[in-house]
Amino acid sequence: DTGVSQDPRHKITKRGQNVTFRCDPISEHNRLYWYRQTLGQGPEFLTYFQNEAQLEKSRLLSDRFSAERPKGSFSTLEIQRTEQGDSAMYLCASSLTSGGTSTDTQYFGPGTRLTVL
Amino acid sequence: GQQVMQIPQYQHVQEGEDFTTYCNSSTTLSNIQWYKQRPGGHPVFLIQLVKSGEVKKQKRLTFQFGEAKKNSSLHITATQTTDVGTYFCAAPFLRSGYALNFGKGTSLLVTP
Repeated sequence: DTGVSQDPRHKITKRGQNVTFRCDPISEHNRLYWYRQTLGQGPEFLTYFQNEAQLEKSRLLSDRFSAERPKGSFSTLEIQRTEQGDSAMYLCASSLTSGGTSTDTQYFGPGTRLTVL
Repeated sequence: GQQVMQIPQYQHVQEGEDFTTYCNSSTTLSNIQWYKQRPGGHPVFLIQLVKSGEVKKQKRLTFQFGEAKKNSSLHITATQTTDVGTYFCAAPFLRSGYALNFGKGTSLLVTP
């Protein structure tokens, strides 16, 4: 399977614990995005990388959240001191720069479902 | 970001009926994308519209981008049970032009 993969698929944690998720994008894709989706809502943008550089962060990304893409390939999203409000599906997407007036087509992974008890 | 509003939130149709979902923005959009998310699945890209007044078709799906580039619609002709899912429109963030601002989606239920 050459699509976007995410690990783990499910994570249950207690409030106050730290969690880390991993995303492996499609191999030749230079952009990588993190989104969060709660029930009945569309995905909400968190942050994105172009190669290893983190170029934009949403205001949703509090200081408890940190994301890295150290070698411009896989990425990790860490949430420190988790809160119940962090319970959501965390989606990763990747794209290849297309240029022009169009926006890259983003390919989404299956997501990591986080439950904070 | 460029906020997009979608209506209706839910739609329940009998198989064979048509379905339309609408996406509106208060600002001019550079482009708009449509995604489909099956229950328990992840968003899957359907199409991107860039030009004013653009119309694109994919089999029974017809996508339109308004003349003012502030609205868009997705129309499905003769729905099938395989069309079940949530349809999202998404527009790029003004600043980066790459990250997407998604609408809340329209959930379509098709009963045979």
